Amino acid sequence: DGGITQSPKYLFRKEGQNVTLSCEQNLNHDAMYWYRQDPGQGLRLIYYSQIVNDFQKGDIAEGYSVSREKKESFPLTVTSAQKNPTAFYLCASGTSGVADTQYFGPGTRLTVL
Amino acid sequence: GESVGLHLPTLSVQEGDNSIINCAYSNSASDYFIWYKQESGKGPQFIIDIRSNMDKRQGQRVTVLLNKTVKHLSLQIAATQPGDSAVYFCAEFSSGTYKYIFGTGTRLKVLA
Repeated sequence: DGGITQSPKYLFRKEGQNVTLSCEQNLNHDAMYWYRQDPGQGLRLIYYSQIVNDFQKGDIAEGYSVSREKKESFPLTVTSAQKNPTAFYLCASGTSGVADTQYFGPGTRLTVL
Repeated sequence: GESVGLHLPTLSVQEGDNSIINCAYSNSASDYFIWYKQESGKGPQFIIDIRSNMDKRQGQRVTVLLNKTVKHLSLQIAATQPGDSAVYFCAEFSSGTYKYIFGTGTRLKVLA
C-alpha cells in the first residue's frame, strides 16, 4: 500500500445519501486517481488529477465529484445521482510524466443499503 | 472478503512450480506496462513493469515478457509459493492518451 491511505475500509450508505471517501498520500506524488472495481471487470477510471486545484473526468465520472485542494489529498464524493454505487473504490497516486507508475491504496468497500 | 475475483479465470499450480500468467493488451500504441498483484480485500500491489522498447525484464522471482507483434504480455513467477496466491492483472499505458487500461485479471491458486 506504500504511503497511500484510504478511509474508511468499509462504508455503508443509505440510498439518497452522499458519502465522501478519503485518500491521502505522503509520497509527494503530483498525480492522483480514483478507480472503481467491480467483480470480473478491470479497473475503471472515475476522476484523476495531475496537479493541485485541477482534475479531469475519467470514463465513469457521472454521479461522482472530487476536489484537489492539497497535493496530499484527493477525496471522492459519491453522490445520490450515482445509480449503482456499491463497489470497491481504489485511490492511486503517481509521478506525472511520460509513463506514470501508479501505486494503489488499500481500497474502500462501499455498500448502499 | 472482496469478491473482485469471483468470475476470473483461474490458474492452479503446485507449490514450487513455475507460473505463467498471460495478458492480451488492446492498444498497439501502448508504451508502458505494469503487472499488479491483488489479494482479497486489498489494493493492487505493483510487481514489475516494462517499457515498449524492451522484450524482457526480470525482477526477484518474476519475469515479464512483452511481445508487441501479437500484443501479448506475460508474467512468469519462479518457484511459486503459497503467498503468491492472489489475482494478477496487467495494465497498459499510452503516452498519447495518458491513460491506463486494466485487464480483468487471473486468479492464481497455489496448491500445497
